[in-house]
Amino acid sequence: QVQLQESGPGLVKPSETLSLTCTVSGYSISSGYWWGWIRQPPGKGLEWIGSIYHNANTYNNPSLQSRGTISINTSKNQFSLKLTSVTAADTAVYYCARDGGSYDFCNWGQGTLVTVSS
Amino acid sequence: QSALTQPRSVSGSPGQSVTISCTGTSNDFGVYNYVSWYQQHPGKAPKLMIYDVRKRPSGVPDRFSGSRSGNTASLTISGLQAEDEADYYCCSYTGSSVLFGGGTKLTVL
Repeated sequence: QVQLQESGPGLVKPSETLSLTCTVSGYSISSGYWWGWIRQPPGKGLEWIGSIYHNANTYNNPSLQSRGTISINTSKNQFSLKLTSVTAADTAVYYCARDGGSYDFCNWGQGTLVTVSS
Repeated sequence: QSALTQPRSVSGSPGQSVTISCTGTSNDFGVYNYVSWYQQHPGKAPKLMIYDVRKRPSGVPDRFSGSRSGNTASLTISGLQAEDEADYYCCSYTGSSVLFGGGTKLTVL
């Protein structure tokens, strides 16, 4: 049973960098699959941020204008998200998820709320 | 890149069927059949209900079915039950990125 757990600060100041980590258990991320980040502003819909493969190949949402960087640490069975120059519009619940192979997110973390505020 | 278009809300009585549409451009769906649907209850993470347009993951009731015609994908829920009341999101692979719909709130009357 694949399980994912997000971790990181719940409060980030405007213009600073948001950093989150997703720890995967029940599956070795070095074995394959794409792994993604999705966010959901309060009361709004889902937005895909980007995804990473076990070999560190990535593809990202162009609407984030290169502010997002996803990395992977296979030795720790983790992948991470960094989002630079954050504003209040980046306030959201951030989810990490496993891509089942058809650009479908079949396993999700519980999500973590990140608030951007001074 | 705009979200896929979904109705903001749909409703139905227990036992009835409802269909939620998801409309985009040809660029939004690409030449692929990578369309998925997610169910989200309040305060919970989304749950995959349909992938590859019409396939159901293990454990998802066969009351849930998916289809696609051109640039519109659809999720049909038959035999509505109270626990189906939730938000539903469609999702597609465009060929270079992943795009979600704006979400539809399903109310079971």
